[in-house]
Amino acid sequence: DIQMTQSPSSLSASLGDRVTFSCQASQDISNYLNWYQHKPGEAPKLLIYDASQLETGVPSRFSGSGSGTIFTLTISSLQPEDIATYYCQHYLDLPLTFGGGTKVDI
Amino acid sequence: QVRLQESGPGLVKPSQTLSLTCSVSGGSIDSRAYYWTWIRQHAGKGLEWLGYIYKSGTTYYNPSLESRITISIDKSANHFSLTLTSMTGADTAVYFCARGVGACSSSNCGGSWFDSWGQGTQVIVSS
Repeated sequence: DIQMTQSPSSLSASLGDRVTFSCQASQDISNYLNWYQHKPGEAPKLLIYDASQLETGVPSRFSGSGSGTIFTLTISSLQPEDIATYYCQHYLDLPLTFGGGTKVDI
Repeated sequence: QVRLQESGPGLVKPSQTLSLTCSVSGGSIDSRAYYWTWIRQHAGKGLEWLGYIYKSGTTYYNPSLESRITISIDKSANHFSLTLTSMTGADTAVYFCARGVGACSSSNCGGSWFDSWGQGTQVIVSS
């Protein structure tokens, strides 16, 4: 199975900050990498697919980059509604696996 | 806009079988290349893909569960279901259903990213 490792596991930032966190795959997954936002008690939300493609309706302050084994998700200006846990997920092959998440708070 | 909603028992006894249903509204479960998926999250942990089913009935399961899991689809009722046998405390988790968008990587064609999710249902395994 491909292991997905996210760092940091949590971070604290201020409103308006540029926030970046990482996801590392245990092997080359090309650009087969997705990002989700999850708030407690809510359905997870797809933010980015194929490493850098913004899902329809997602604010442009979210961006994704990377390929191979190292990927990043950036929030250009942190907003109160961005407080959540963020997960990466690969789809190179089965089983699909997720990272452990990065929890973002203020 | 498609909506997914999980339903089923919140409490299951050890060794018993869990049955959950995901009702799909706002779209047909038989449309397009979607893979209807079950994912779970143990408390304080990350997400775990359990498996998915295509509209044809073809299923793909996580090998860690392959002997215990069945996913089925009912197109007439527009829902799909999860059955997990021999439940233990390790299966206590929040269970999500989701819609996987069909796409291909260099190694596999199947559900790739999950663009719609249910809110999740807590399942506790306890006697």
